[in-house]
Amino acid sequence: DTEVTQTPKHLVMGMTNKKSLKCEQHMGHRAMYWYKQKAKKPPELMFVYSYEKLSINESVPSRFSPECPNSSLLNLHLHALQPEDSALYLCASSQLPGLADNEQFFGPGTRLTVL
Amino acid sequence: DAKTTQPTSMDCAEGRAANLPCNHSTISGNEYVYWYRQIHSQGPQYIIHGLKNNETNEMASLIITEDRKSSTLILPHATLRDTAVYYCIVRVASYGKLTFGQGTILTVHP
Repeated sequence: DTEVTQTPKHLVMGMTNKKSLKCEQHMGHRAMYWYKQKAKKPPELMFVYSYEKLSINESVPSRFSPECPNSSLLNLHLHALQPEDSALYLCASSQLPGLADNEQFFGPGTRLTVL
Repeated sequence: DAKTTQPTSMDCAEGRAANLPCNHSTISGNEYVYWYRQIHSQGPQYIIHGLKNNETNEMASLIITEDRKSSTLILPHATLRDTAVYYCIVRVASYGKLTFGQGTILTVHP
């Protein structure tokens, strides 16, 4: 299984809602990532988890709260978002950040719309 | 990570080779060149990476100049399904961060 799955595919939420994005991989990878991609822009890194511990936070606002319950699962909890947070949220995984042959496998993304 | 420069867009005829250039003149000795592509509304897809030597896999070939300041991704026989944004990324392998530039929009036409 060389797939990263993300749910839901689409999400519409209000600014007062609390929602969560889910990402799953069964490739035995120990590094997982969240990226954000605005329309017509390249993806931007948000968070990196290595061995289920947060290793990189790219100064992301606290209304985005990542969680890595186990080595296969990565969540992104959303609360009090703004309309400008509307974007495609991409999850990725890799064997480990420190390996040379370390391509990242990306999921299809969750298209988030904040009203 | 070193900065990369890519043409904004390129066209290629179906069945012909697509040669996508990337300039990374400030690359350091321990930085790898990675290529990813993103087909519309999908997640990025890994293509190939290299450090010094030229590399080839089932998808593409990567040619890195001897001074490592530039590289070329070659899709040997482009198909319509290769239409995508192609990202050239230079990074240190020991860090997990991928820093995407603006990429090259490759359009393959019949």
